[in-house]
Amino acid sequence: EAGVTQSPTHLIKTRGQQATLRCSPISGHTSVYWYQQALGLGLQFLLWYDEGEERNRGNFPPRFSGRQFPNYSSELNVNALELEDSALYLCASSPSTGAHGYTFGSGTRLTVV
Amino acid sequence: AQSVTQLGSHVSVSEGALVLLRCNYSSSVPPYLFWYVQYPNQGLQLLLKYTSAATLVKGINGFEAEFKKSETSFHLTKPSAHMSDAAEYFCAVRLNSGYSTLTFGKGTMLLVSP
Repeated sequence: EAGVTQSPTHLIKTRGQQATLRCSPISGHTSVYWYQQALGLGLQFLLWYDEGEERNRGNFPPRFSGRQFPNYSSELNVNALELEDSALYLCASSPSTGAHGYTFGSGTRLTVV
Repeated sequence: AQSVTQLGSHVSVSEGALVLLRCNYSSSVPPYLFWYVQYPNQGLQLLLKYTSAATLVKGINGFEAEFKKSETSFHLTKPSAHMSDAAEYFCAVRLNSGYSTLTFGKGTMLLVSP
């Protein structure tokens, strides 16, 4: 069974540009979560999508947005990139509410220069 | 609201020694608790979870954790460390209600010396 897949693995952008990160959940999982792992800051919750709807949002500015498609895959968009957006972005998936934990992908390393 | 505190950003042990990684949580309702491990340049892998069944939880790779409500703790242990255990470990909490999501601690880097 394929795990959670994220693309691209690495992404280099210039300050002010937009970045798009993609995630495919495990088959049968309807929920997708996005986390930011910046150096020294641990994992910060960004967004949760379930059945195409945004269920919860972390304490991030509106330039962080995303969506979930009918096949449950998801994309995270970051507009007006800032240097401090450089981080590992992790996607995870779970069945419905995720009460029993999430399965994580390997992440997208975003570098803003 | 929920939060997790992991005591010690780095823990060093010798191969064969006991591993003890500390986690304390704060939760307004009964929590679900998790330990994840992250190897360099990889995502997080679930080690074990507590979801209100047995308080002593056994996970993969010989790790276990005990939920102690009176101490609001969920410490991770392994009787004998192996070199391959060197990684970063994250404790996480999720409220047993509604649209809650996993809240992670800041992580503890486990260093294992020969």
